[in-house]
Amino acid sequence: QSVLTQPPSVSAAPGQEVTISCSGSSSNIGNHHVSWYQLLPGTSPKVLISENNKRPSGIPDRFSGSKSGTSATLGITGLQTGDEADYYCGVWDNSLSTEVFGGGTKLTVL
Amino acid sequence: EMQLVESGGGLVQPGGSLKLSCAASGFAFSGSDIHWVRQPSGKGLEGVGRIESKPRNYATKYAASVKGRFTISRDDSKSTTYLQMNSLKVEDTAVYYCAAYVCGSARCGMDVWGQGATVTVAS
Repeated sequence: QSVLTQPPSVSAAPGQEVTISCSGSSSNIGNHHVSWYQLLPGTSPKVLISENNKRPSGIPDRFSGSKSGTSATLGITGLQTGDEADYYCGVWDNSLSTEVFGGGTKLTVL
Repeated sequence: EMQLVESGGGLVQPGGSLKLSCAASGFAFSGSDIHWVRQPSGKGLEGVGRIESKPRNYATKYAASVKGRFTISRDDSKSTTYLQMNSLKVEDTAVYYCAAYVCGSARCGMDVWGQGATVTVAS
């Protein structure tokens, strides 16, 4: 069981938007910056968002992040078939002294 | 181009040892914390541990599941990080990634990831 809670799956049509939630506690999300990662089959994780809402260069502004209290959210607008992937939230946990991740959310673009 | 290249994965028997290497290029390795993250087949990501940079005394942190069995080290002169895994268990079977936490002018993040090294613990 993961320390952070994400929905197992979300789906939407091309062009639509989705949000993926990530729920934690005061020992992790409540006191640290959240990152979001995209995992395509057979590839390494790719950071989409770090420090709650900042995108690395090269990541389109269709991807956005936010945080409130002990929860965080990833938003994706203008969905494309290429966005089909697994998405993970990640954050440092003070109690566990390690980076912790959500269980992952599989995005299907119908 | 910022890059991490891993090596050293393979098949090992339960109770055995294995050492992974992670060689960096294209960024200021010595100033970066390096994380190890693993992903068992069909499962999610799990933090294994991290080693901090020299200004923070190369401090290490480990997940409870590997503490006392795994050791993270680094050689800044070679821009390389190591994950020494001892007393391996079947449940340690996973793809292991090294990842670098790097800072730019506007943000910091775990931007650089290795290609992954497969570790299989089986008899």
